[in-house]
Amino acid sequence: EIVLTQSPATLSLSPGERATLSCRASQSVSSYLAWYQQKPGQAPRLLIYDASTRATGIPARFSGSGSGTDFTLTISSLEPEDFAVYYCQQRSNWPPFTFGPGTKVDIK
Amino acid sequence: EVQLVESGGGLVQPGGSLRLSCAASRFTFSNYWMNWVRQAPGKGLEWVANINQDGSERYYVDSVKGRFTISRDNAKNSLYLQMNSLRAEDTAVYYCARDQKSSTGWHAGWGQGTLVTVSS
Repeated sequence: EIVLTQSPATLSLSPGERATLSCRASQSVSSYLAWYQQKPGQAPRLLIYDASTRATGIPARFSGSGSGTDFTLTISSLEPEDFAVYYCQQRSNWPPFTFGPGTKVDIK
Repeated sequence: EVQLVESGGGLVQPGGSLRLSCAASRFTFSNYWMNWVRQAPGKGLEWVANINQDGSERYYVDSVKGRFTISRDNAKNSLYLQMNSLRAEDTAVYYCARDQKSSTGWHAGWGQGTLVTVSS
């Protein structure tokens, strides 16, 4: 099973700042990595898939990069609605699909 | 926009059974892989199971193999999860999730979830 680790666990930033979230895989997942956003009391939402492709309707301030074992989600300028928990997920080697433990982006 | 509505959650004793349902609308249900993903209270996401378009392929996370069964009825646009021999660690919000067309793995549409609590 591929294990995903995310860092940092919590990121405290102000609106307008740049957010950089990291996800590392225990073995190569090629580009088969996605990012999800989850707000309290809501279902997750797919943001990025195949490491760098934005899902339908996702604003351009969200971008993904990386391949192999190291990946990054960047939010170029935080909007108030971006404060949430972000999960990475792999589909390279399944079952099972696995998720990282999440990074919480909160307001500084 | 994709609509997925889960139902069937509730309180059940350890060792008991529960059947979750997911009603799909606003897309051609029979064209997509479907999944169940769960989230224990205050915890992260865990993929549970998926099923292909015609139900001929089903996969599970090891922790539920032999206890849970995923199924679908394309005529009723519905997805199901039969959960038997429930344990306290199965307590979670269970989400129904639709994959992107023609592939599995990227969960592009989600329901709001149904809470399953396993407790005596």
